[in-house]
Amino acid sequence: QAHLVQSGAEVKKPGASVKVSCKASDYTFTNYAITWVRQAPGRGLEWMGWITTFMSDTNYAQKFQGRVTMTTDTSTTTAYMELRSLRSDDTAVYYCTRGVGAFDIWGQGTMVTVSS
Amino acid sequence: DIVMTQSPLSLPVTPGEPASISCRSSQNLLDSNGFNSVDWYLQKPGQSPHLLIYLGSNRASGVPDRFSGSGSGTDFTLKISRVEAEDVGVYYCMQALQTPRTFGQGTRLEIK
Repeated sequence: QAHLVQSGAEVKKPGASVKVSCKASDYTFTNYAITWVRQAPGRGLEWMGWITTFMSDTNYAQKFQGRVTMTTDTSTTTAYMELRSLRSDDTAVYYCTRGVGAFDIWGQGTMVTVSS
Repeated sequence: DIVMTQSPLSLPVTPGEPASISCRSSQNLLDSNGFNSVDWYLQKPGQSPHLLIYLGSNRASGVPDRFSGSGSGTDFTLKISRVEAEDVGVYYCMQALQTPRTFGQGTRLEIK
């Protein structure tokens, strides 16, 4: 059974950066892109972008352009999402998921809290 | 960006009764291969979302056959033939035709 396991909760101050990891297992990592989706407390789902794991091509939501970087390490089958210049409205659960649509495998989510 | 609009936003249902959720898109979601690029997800309380339906009408692996997806173009529907207690949570539609991928606001299903 394929799995995505994410890193633990983070607390950051405004202006800082956060880097969330997403470890894939039990499937061929380079066959699927990794998409990142976030969910602010009590709110809906928001697509942030994806990275192809074979060529590391990225497609970011315009809202996050310049602030987000998605990377992968094929040797450890791990994807990363770094968000910079954090603001209070970046407080959310960040999910990684498999593919570019029909997201069939999801990580457990990483809570990122931005607070002074 | 494509806007996805769901209704209703809240759906109280008696166990054993059917339920239906509508999702309307601001653009035609029929792709060049003739598939409707709409997925449906359920997020149970305290859990990550999980895939129910992809390409408009295809049930994901392990999804009970009481769930079905239909529709074409700009109007889509998720139906539950007989609601069970385990179906509570928030249902989201998502368009997978273009980037940015966009989700509906979510429909909260609760048991009466």
